[in-house]
Amino acid sequence: GDSVTQMEGPVTLSEEAFLTINCTYTATGYPSLFWYVQYPGEGLQLLLKATKADDKGSNKGFEATYRKETTSFHLEKGSVQVSDSAVYFCALRGDYKLSFGAGTTVTVRA
Amino acid sequence: SAVISQKPSRDICQRGTSLTIQCQVDSQVTMMFWYRQQPGQSLTLIATANQGSEATYESGFVIDKFPISRPNLTFSTLTVSNMSPEDSSIYLCSVEDNYGYTFGSGTRLTVV
Repeated sequence: GDSVTQMEGPVTLSEEAFLTINCTYTATGYPSLFWYVQYPGEGLQLLLKATKADDKGSNKGFEATYRKETTSFHLEKGSVQVSDSAVYFCALRGDYKLSFGAGTTVTVRA
Repeated sequence: SAVISQKPSRDICQRGTSLTIQCQVDSQVTMMFWYRQQPGQSLTLIATANQGSEATYESGFVIDKFPISRPNLTFSTLTVSNMSPEDSSIYLCSVEDNYGYTFGSGTRLTVV
């Protein structure tokens, strides 16, 4: 079945550091891929998505590229801020439903 | 994107009782999804609710424990029945819209 393997944290960074969170997937066909973010005490928000190979999703300075050859969708941000502290979830849409990775807790220190 | 109103936002319940969680969407949707997020864990799909038919449950979840209603295309309820402390989690509803999947704000359930 469909599955998502996500780099587990926690990850602690200093402000303005580069962030990468690895995500790989197993699925039949070509699923849509997502990154969701959960800020402390808040609900789950869509951060970015990509629907086909080589698509790049971007939002709030975050980027992720759909790599079919490596079945990956790694999340990157060039310069993180304290406000980026959150839990990040990689997910894929197989058939009609989402499958989530384990989540990565990111803490950014000033 | 769709706007989902989920309630209650939190509750503390006695073991052996039941809690019904409601989700209202501001547009008509074919499928609504119910997830559980146990403390410090990822989201696990409980079931998919279609209007006019019985919900489809994922492995490990059963209708007797998590009965679902879907009376129309904008509303659904999830009941957590005969609760035990192991049911303490955040429960979320979700719908698919033009942007992806939108989630309700969640119901934080504590069973004592």
